[in-house]
Amino acid sequence: EAGVTQFPSHSVIEKGQTVTLRCDPISGHDNLYWYRRVMGKEIKFLLHFVKESKQDESGMPNNRFLAERTGGTYSTLKVQPAELEDSGVYFCASSPETGLNTEAFFGQGTRLTVV
Amino acid sequence: QKEVEQDPGPLSVPEGAIVSLNCTYSNSAFQYFMWYRQYSRKGPELLMYTYSSGNKEDGRFTAQVDKSSKYISLFIRDSQPSDSATYLCAMTPYNNNDMRFGAGTRLTVKP
Repeated sequence: EAGVTQFPSHSVIEKGQTVTLRCDPISGHDNLYWYRRVMGKEIKFLLHFVKESKQDESGMPNNRFLAERTGGTYSTLKVQPAELEDSGVYFCASSPETGLNTEAFFGQGTRLTVV
Repeated sequence: QKEVEQDPGPLSVPEGAIVSLNCTYSNSAFQYFMWYRQYSRKGPELLMYTYSSGNKEDGRFTAQVDKSSKYISLFIRDSQPSDSATYLCAMTPYNNNDMRFGAGTRLTVKP
């Protein structure tokens, strides 16, 4: 069974540009989460989807970040325009219907570098 | 004060040693406590989780939670070079999906 996959694995963009990260959760997992780790800090929650609906987006840093999950399958996280402080590793995780974080499976992450 | 405190290390031990990794936290609402292992350039992988206080054992790994002290531990017995990784503690209130992570402790087990 395929795990959580994220694309791209690494992205380098200039300040002011737009970047879109993609996450394909494990098939059948209704819950999808985005987390990120900026340099020197701990991993922090961004938002949580249940199917196509945003359950909790309290961790989104500002309106330059837009997450979507059309059809309740894969999800995208767009950063527009990117700023230097957006650099970090963005993780996606998914879990089955129970929604308990104890069963969350993480992808390998997308390393975003804004220069 | 951070909600979850974890010494980032690095921690280096010889093969076969017992490793003790710890986190403290400040939010008494946390009910689920997890330990993740993360290899370089990979995503976190769930090792163990416990609910509320108590111990849980899985092979060479033992997780302990002391809610009265707001302190959790992960013990690794007979450590192996393959255990070399960053270990992250994480915790969440009951039925809440916003996991709070520690900074992670980088562990190296030397042959």
